[in-house]
Amino acid sequence: ETVMTQSPATLSVSPGETATLSCRASQSVRSTLAWYQQKPGQAPRLLIYGASYRATGVPARFSGSGSGTEFTLTISSLQSEDFAVYYCQQYYDWPPYTFGQGTKLEIK
Amino acid sequence: EGQLVQSGAEVKKAGESLKISCKGSGYSFSTYWIGWVRQMPGKGLEWMGIIFPGDSDTRYSPSFQDQVTISADKSINTAYLQWSSLKASDTAMYYCARPSSASLRDAFDVWGQGTVVTVSS
Repeated sequence: ETVMTQSPATLSVSPGETATLSCRASQSVRSTLAWYQQKPGQAPRLLIYGASYRATGVPARFSGSGSGTEFTLTISSLQSEDFAVYYCQQYYDWPPYTFGQGTKLEIK
Repeated sequence: EGQLVQSGAEVKKAGESLKISCKGSGYSFSTYWIGWVRQMPGKGLEWMGIIFPGDSDTRYSPSFQDQVTISADKSINTAYLQWSSLKASDTAMYYCARPSSASLRDAFDVWGQGTVVTVSS
């Protein structure tokens, strides 16, 4: 099973600034990496797929990069609605599709 | 694009059985995989398993193999997650989700609203 490790667990950033979230895979998952956003009481929402492609309707301030074992989600010009929990997920090695433990992005 | 609508919240006692559902609409239900994800209170997301409604090909995460049963009825565009004997530790939110293409190897862009399952001991 591929283990996904996210860092940091909690990230405090001020609105308008840039947040950088990291995700590491225990083995290569090539570019089959997705990022999801989850707000309290809501289902996860796909932000990024294929490590760097924005899903439909996702603002351009969200960007993803990386391949193999190291991945990054960057959120520039943070808006109030961006403060949430973010999960990375690999979909290369099944079973199972594994999620990272999440990074909580909070307002500084 | 498609939509998944899940059944309502459930409150059960330990030892009881339960079957929750996930109904797809707006797309060809038989040709996309449907997965199930658990989220325990205050915790992260865990993949449970996945089914292809067209032929009921089902794959389980090792952690959930023999703990739950995933099934589907393509005639009514509905997938199911079932327990034969609930435990208190099954208390969680359960989501169904669908990948953005007919491939197993794709991100999940359509999610149900979730079903809360509460099991008392």
